[in-house]
Amino acid sequence: AQTVTQSQPEMSVQEAETVTLSCTYDTSESNYYLFWYKQPPSRQMILVIRQEAYKQQNATENRFSVNFQKAAKSFSLKISDSQLGDTAMYFCAFIGPGTASKLTFGTGTRLQVTL
Amino acid sequence: DGGITQSPKYLFRKEGQNVTLSCEQNLNHDAMYWYRQDPGQGLRLIYYSQIVNDFQKGDIAEGYSVSREKKESFPLTVTSAQKNPTAFYLCASSQQGARNQPQHFGDGTRLSIL
Repeated sequence: AQTVTQSQPEMSVQEAETVTLSCTYDTSESNYYLFWYKQPPSRQMILVIRQEAYKQQNATENRFSVNFQKAAKSFSLKISDSQLGDTAMYFCAFIGPGTASKLTFGTGTRLQVTL
Repeated sequence: DGGITQSPKYLFRKEGQNVTLSCEQNLNHDAMYWYRQDPGQGLRLIYYSQIVNDFQKGDIAEGYSVSREKKESFPLTVTSAQKNPTAFYLCASSQQGARNQPQHFGDGTRLSIL
């Protein structure tokens, strides 16, 4: 079974600064997908960024980028130029092989962006 | 706009009562999912369905039941056998087999015990 670990329950960053959220996962598969989801106080789950395991290039979406280290099974999220609207819970998630597309989530990191 | 609608937003259950959470999507997605969210535990999969009239248990299916009679609807029933139902419930959908595509989530239902 796959597991996803987020070891930072809470983090804080000042506005305009950069912060990195960590995520590690455990799998014996070689073909899988990784995601970061954001859950603001409104509780809606919003996709931030995705990474395909067979792609070596790290995914980037505007101020959000990942550091994907397949051998180390690490998938960290970097948020640059942090904004107050980035305040949210961030969940790392994994989809393995098979057609069911079942997501396995980490326990989340609560990020607070301060002035 | 396409999306997922969950209702009600808040729900209260009495002891021994079954309650049903609604989830409707107009994204034409084949696959639908139910997750439970508890503080400090992330999201856990309750049930999922890849096609109409078929569904599978997830990691924490005990005390829950589902049906999938229509492509756009995937209601979740929290039965009296679920002894700790207080949680936030999220419904999601995705294209079947498209593992690289994100799951789309509804706004959730918060269930509490009276």
